[in-house]
Amino acid sequence: EPEVTQTPSHQVTQMGQEVILRCVPISNHLYFYWYRQILGQKVEFLVSFYNNEISEKSEIFDDQFSVERPDGSNFTLKIRSTKLEDSAMYFCASSPNWTNEKLFFGSGTQLSVL
Amino acid sequence: DAKTTQPNSMESNEEEPVHLPCNHSTISGTDYIHWYRQLPSQGPEYVIHGLTSNVNNRMASLAIAEDRKSSTLILHRATLRDAAVYYCILRDGTSGTYKYIFGTGTRLKVLA
Repeated sequence: EPEVTQTPSHQVTQMGQEVILRCVPISNHLYFYWYRQILGQKVEFLVSFYNNEISEKSEIFDDQFSVERPDGSNFTLKIRSTKLEDSAMYFCASSPNWTNEKLFFGSGTQLSVL
Repeated sequence: DAKTTQPNSMESNEEEPVHLPCNHSTISGTDYIHWYRQLPSQGPEYVIHGLTSNVNNRMASLAIAEDRKSSTLILHRATLRDAAVYYCILRDGTSGTYKYIFGTGTRLKVLA
């Protein structure tokens, strides 16, 4: 079965540094998402992306965050100046459309900010 | 977003059926009921979804109450691999919102 691929699986960075988390969604999917999960807490929605623009974003997704689909296959989440509280597992997801089709999640990138 | 309520945890014996309940008393007519699960150290995984009628797929069955204020995810024969956190999520099928709101879910423990 096709799957969403995320790289790297683990990322360690210093506070204040920029990080880019990368995702390759399933090839014929049109909608892309980022979620995050702080250790021991709920899975939280960050942003959705369709047709090369943000469709919806949460309060968490402030000016420090940005998303991009730089080519036909990759979908990236950039955090400009990381904070300690950005430490979390970040999940990318994709879906063929939004009308209640299921989301396919990647295995996540564990971001540790020191 | 309409809220769901699930038990924090449940236990089941291997090879036994498991019924995972979810209450959603404020569900609206256009809310779909979705179930996802999260295995340890993995991303959430789609299990099943439905609107009004009961649904079956290769993973599970979804039984929806006639008034739609509750639903039950049924795993017909639990295996050790089914140990996970199961999330019941409502999503409006017409509003155009893209986000799924995950709650705390039910942690299922399967005993060998």
